[in-house]
Amino acid sequence: AQSVTQLDSQVPVFEEAPVELRCNYSSSVSVYLFWYVQYPNQGLQLLLKYLSGSTLVKGINGFEAEFNKSQTSFHLRKPSVHISDTAEYFCAVSGAAGNKLTFGGGTRVLVKP
Amino acid sequence: DTEVTQTPKHLVMGMTNKKSLKCEQHMGHRAMYWYKQKAKKPPELMFVYSYEKLSINESVPSRFSPECPNSSLLNLHLHALQPEDSALYLCASSQEVLARGTDTQYFGPGTRLTVL
Repeated sequence: AQSVTQLDSQVPVFEEAPVELRCNYSSSVSVYLFWYVQYPNQGLQLLLKYLSGSTLVKGINGFEAEFNKSQTSFHLRKPSVHISDTAEYFCAVSGAAGNKLTFGGGTRVLVKP
Repeated sequence: DTEVTQTPKHLVMGMTNKKSLKCEQHMGHRAMYWYKQKAKKPPELMFVYSYEKLSINESVPSRFSPECPNSSLLNLHLHALQPEDSALYLCASSQEVLARGTDTQYFGPGTRLTVL
């Protein structure tokens, strides 16, 4: 079985400051990792994903994430946030056995002016 | 085009009503999903269709009835719902399902359902 833990339920951050959202996973098999963003009253949009290869993954809107197998982590970062980054962020994992996504609890990012 | 569309955007229904949610994609994806999302929670998988056949039912009550009329359309029929069924219902699609875990799921904007 696989599981995902997002360590912070809410992260307040000032505009133009950096932000890091933490995600840890547990799985007994190879995993594929995803970060999705959900803006208010909208569906989920893929930010980035790690399937294999380089452990540093770059996504849309200036986000990047680093896969760390030894620490079973996939933290999301952005060097400078904008007000428009205010949203809920979900880390998710799927396994080689199938495409069933397991989501973390979500992290709400609130960007303040 | 990576768009999944859902109608209606909002739906209010009584506990005795029958209604349907509709989802459509034109990306040629062969896997389609229904999720339920309560406020401040992650999406919970309800159903998965693969090649128009139901492949996963996550023990969802029978008052929710999915239907996949063709490879582009997915419906969710609702009957005798309870107030606790009020939530955002999200549809998603991906190229394949169960074959590999690498396929990205593309989500629609959701239908916000309120059961009175």
